[in-house]
Amino acid sequence: GESVGLHLPTLSVQEGDNSIINCAYSNSASDYFIWYKQESGKGPQFIIDIRSNMDKRQGQRVTVLLNKTVKHLSLQIAATQPGDSAVYFCAEKTEGQNFVFGPGTRLSVLP
Amino acid sequence: KAGVTQTPRYLIKTRGQQVTLSCSPISGHRSVSWYQQTPGQGLQFLFEYFSETQRNKGNFPGRFSGRQFSNSRSEMNVSTLELGDSALYLCASRAQGVSTEAFFGQGTRLTVV
Repeated sequence: GESVGLHLPTLSVQEGDNSIINCAYSNSASDYFIWYKQESGKGPQFIIDIRSNMDKRQGQRVTVLLNKTVKHLSLQIAATQPGDSAVYFCAEKTEGQNFVFGPGTRLSVLP
Repeated sequence: KAGVTQTPRYLIKTRGQQVTLSCSPISGHRSVSWYQQTPGQGLQFLFEYFSETQRNKGNFPGRFSGRQFSNSRSEMNVSTLELGDSALYLCASRAQGVSTEAFFGQGTRLTVV
């Protein structure tokens, strides 16, 4: 069935550098996308969302880019900090359906 | 306002037993979804309840069931537990709307021995 997948299972970046986490989705009917951050022992925490009628959305230190042509979603984290170390999930939603989550990318921030 | 509350946080059960997990959504949220999270399968959707009715269901066996009460609190039940049911069970609540973010609780860590 339709699914959301990630290109890289792990990502290591130097503190202060920018991070880019990628996500591929296959359901062209998906109209809403979310990035979640999950720290050890906690539930997923909302980071940022974007609707299918947008290409880019910015938050505090984070930017989500949506490329519907190639069904690609990315999360950019500026000036990555140690507190950003976590597993990041993308999720897609189609109207009438529930969220479908990708397998997650573990981000490690190196000192 | 208070976030999504799941109880208990940790649970150890024996194969063949049954278990009931509880979720209290954010006040005013009427949609509650349950997910199973395992290292091998990631986050998998179990079911969603809205106004006491099951609205969507994932691909899990009938041993997994749930319900929602009039105050939007939800419970999920797993009967005849198997070792493979060991996982983090997450509950998420959403406000009414077509596409709104889901707020997750901290989950219940179930270990089946």
